[in-house]
Amino acid sequence: DSGVTQTPKHLITATGQRVTLRCSPRSGDLSVYWYQQSLDQGLQFLIQYYNGEERAKGNILERFSAQQFPDLHSELNLSSLELGDSALYFCASSVGGWGRSPLHFGNGTRLTVT
Amino acid sequence: TQLLEQSPQFLSIQEGENLTVYCNSSSVFSSLQWYRQEPGEGPVLLVTVVTGGEVKKLKRLTFQFGDARKDSSLHITAAQPGDTGLYLCAGVNDGGGSRLTFGEGTQLTVNP
Repeated sequence: DSGVTQTPKHLITATGQRVTLRCSPRSGDLSVYWYQQSLDQGLQFLIQYYNGEERAKGNILERFSAQQFPDLHSELNLSSLELGDSALYFCASSVGGWGRSPLHFGNGTRLTVT
Repeated sequence: TQLLEQSPQFLSIQEGENLTVYCNSSSVFSSLQWYRQEPGEGPVLLVTVVTGGEVKKLKRLTFQFGDARKDSSLHITAAQPGDTGLYLCAGVNDGGGSRLTFGEGTQLTVNP
């Protein structure tokens, strides 16, 4: 058990809809990262928050947004969903930023857009 | 363009065999991490290497960081079915804003 909790585990929705994925980081970790994993593109970095503030942005679409709350949990909002958004979405946390600080991953949310 | 190239992409071997997977890049990394991911779960960190030429051992797994810090390898001795999983390398590239970039992974299957 990594200590990172993601909900829901599975999500099935229709194109055009909006969903919210939730992540509770490991106790004591200040950084939260969101990654998207699909069969054809591997694990792609979306965005990072550190202690409530956006720290780095990766390949995140404008239809997607995220935030980290004062209690350090984070939410990833996906809107105007398209079929191609179907993927596994992982949240990870770490004590500090990238580098030597290991990432602890949750078990992901599997999103299916129909 | 994938910053980290992993090879082979797929590997299926028999229990007891040895194997090596590779993680290559044209970029220099300040550190490199190896993760293993099993179906239905998130990646789990195996090791972090930070010094060029560094070798780390974790039971039957041996990790090496290239002298120039551009590549890494993972060698498994006497593979077991429990080693089955997706092996991912991930590097911190200072030129890329210090973010952690993942390779696409090597899917290893060890048959009993």
